[in-house]
Parts: sequence; structure tokens; C-alpha cells
Amino acid sequence: GQQLNQNPQSMFIQEGEDVSMNCTSSSIFNTWLWYKQDPGEGPVLLIALYKAGELTSNGRLTAQFGITRKDSFLNISASIPSDVGIYFCAGQPMEGGGADGLTFGKGTHLIIQP
Amino acid sequence: GAVVSQHPSRVICKSGTSVKIECRSLDFQATTMFWYRQFPKQSLMLMATSNEGSKATYEQGVEKDKFLINHASLTLSTLTVTSAHPEDSSFYICSARILSQGGDYGYTFGSGTRLTVV
Repeated sequence: GQQLNQNPQSMFIQEGEDVSMNCTSSSIFNTWLWYKQDPGEGPVLLIALYKAGELTSNGRLTAQFGITRKDSFLNISASIPSDVGIYFCAGQPMEGGGADGLTFGKGTHLIIQP
Repeated sequence: GAVVSQHPSRVICKSGTSVKIECRSLDFQATTMFWYRQFPKQSLMLMATSNEGSKATYEQGVEKDKFLINHASLTLSTLTVTSAHPEDSSFYICSARILSQGGDYGYTFGSGTRLTVV
């Protein structure tokens, strides 16, 4: 099946630092999404990417959809304590017309040291 | 914004019993909902796609007789874990894709159900 390779698995950073994480795949995806999940909660959508090469920002977050539709990165600038959590990339397959569920990466666990 | 409400948030049941989890779309209609399972410190894995008025589509390796899905209306999908065993203990999350004339608003997730089978 389709797989998303997400890196890094975990990050230990100082408050105020910038963060960068990425996902790659051997498959092409129609839509690429970035989610944040807090313990015991469902994922919350951060950024959705629909077009190849698309660069989108949401506050301190910036994400880009690779031109080949096989990769994406998420950057967080000037990290703050509430950024702590697990970040997942997720892709919606090229086929299916929206009827397919998402394939998730394994997550990046962000830990911020004061 | 569109909200998917999932209940219960936590449930503890005895081995051999059945548990029903509900997923409701509060302010939109969802012809398709998705059910995921997440084991501790792991990613979300798609279990099945729930289709209103028709049979659910299950991912490879997911037992359809064990995980019963019913999508009887455009706002409600249920997942029933039948004859639950300790290995079924997990975090179950539902999701719906929001499509309207205004565009594609992506996938919204419920808050999840923590199932513990003792």
C-alpha cells in the first residue's frame, strides 16, 4: 500500500527556535494535509495543500506541496510551548474522487525545552 | 466550522462484550465517513470507509464481522466492536470529508474514543 515516510521521528528544541519536518512518498497524492494531535485527542488540521508546488502559510506555520506531488514539508517559526505535540502528514490518494481515507505518516513528536 | 462529534470519549469493557462508538456530523451532511485506529505511540491506520445507505468498505486485514459499521443517515455513523478482546484496546477515531459548492474543506476528525478491554 501507499506509505508516507515522515522525518524526523522526534525533535527536541529550545523555545523560540524554528522547526522543520518533512514527508516523502513513492506514490503521488492528490491532497496533502498536516495535522497536530494532542494526547487523547483527535488530529486537528493545520494546513491543507491541493496543488503541486503550492506554498501555504497559517500564522507561524508554512507548508509546501512538492512539485511531483510526492513530498511536503512543514515549518514552524519561533516555536512556543503550546506547539508541543505530535505532527502528522497525511495524503489523500490520487484516485478515488474523495472517497478514500487518508494515509498517515508515522508522526513527528515535537518537544520544546524551556 | 464543521464539527464531527464522537462518543463516548472513553470506554472500559469486559472481554467478550460489544462496544458501540458513535460519530455524528453536527452541521453538515457526510455521505462518507472514515474510521481509524491508533495504537499507543503509533500513527493512525485507516480501518474502513463508511458509506451512507450502503455497505462499508474495509481495509485489508480488518475483520468486517468484528468491526461492524452502520451509516444509516447522512449525519451518523457507528462502529461496533463485537466480542472485544484486550488486543482490541486502542484509540478509535472517525473522520468525515467536507465537500460543498464552496469548495473542499478537507477532512475533519472526531475527538476519538479510548477503548480499554479488560
